[in-house]
Amino acid sequence: EAGVTQFPSHSVIEKGQTVTLRCDPISGHDNLYWYRRVMGKEIKFLLHFVKESKQDESGMPNNRFLAERTGGTYSTLKVQPAELEDSGVYFCASSQFNRGGTDTQYFGPGTRLTVL
Amino acid sequence: AQSVTQLGSHVSVSEGALVLLRCNYSSSVPPYLFWYVQYPNQGLQLLLKYTSAATLVKGINGFEAEFKKSETSFHLTKPSAHMSDAAEYFCAVVSGGKLIFGQGTELSVKP
Repeated sequence: EAGVTQFPSHSVIEKGQTVTLRCDPISGHDNLYWYRRVMGKEIKFLLHFVKESKQDESGMPNNRFLAERTGGTYSTLKVQPAELEDSGVYFCASSQFNRGGTDTQYFGPGTRLTVL
Repeated sequence: AQSVTQLGSHVSVSEGALVLLRCNYSSSVPPYLFWYVQYPNQGLQLLLKYTSAATLVKGINGFEAEFKKSETSFHLTKPSAHMSDAAEYFCAVVSGGKLIFGQGTELSVKP
């Protein structure tokens, strides 16, 4: 069974440009999460989808970030326009159930975003 | 609000020595706790999780963690370190349906 996949693995862009990150969850997993790790800091929650609906987007830093999950399958996270402080590693995770967050979340390898 | 603190951003041990990675939590409700590991150039992999069934939790690769309510701790241990254990380790607590992570501890293993 394929794990969570993320594309691209690395992205280097200029400040002010747009970048779109993609996440493909494990097949059959209704719950999809985005997390981010800024250098030197802890991994922080961004948002949680249940199927195509946003269950919790309390961690989204500002309106330059837009997440979508069309048809409840893959998800994209768009940053527009990118700022220097957006640099970091963006992780996607998925789980079949959530049950208050107690179900195991399976993580992808992450996308390393560098904004110059 | 729930939170976790990992003591020591870097830990170095010799091969064959005990591994002890510390995690303390803060939670107003009985916590659900996780340990994840990230090997170089890979994603986070679940090592083990505590869901109140048993205080001593055994995980993969010989790791285990003991939940101690009186100390609000969930330290990760392994009796004998192997070179392949070199990685970054993350403790996390569940809060509001999501994971709250500690700062991570990088484990180095010396030959």
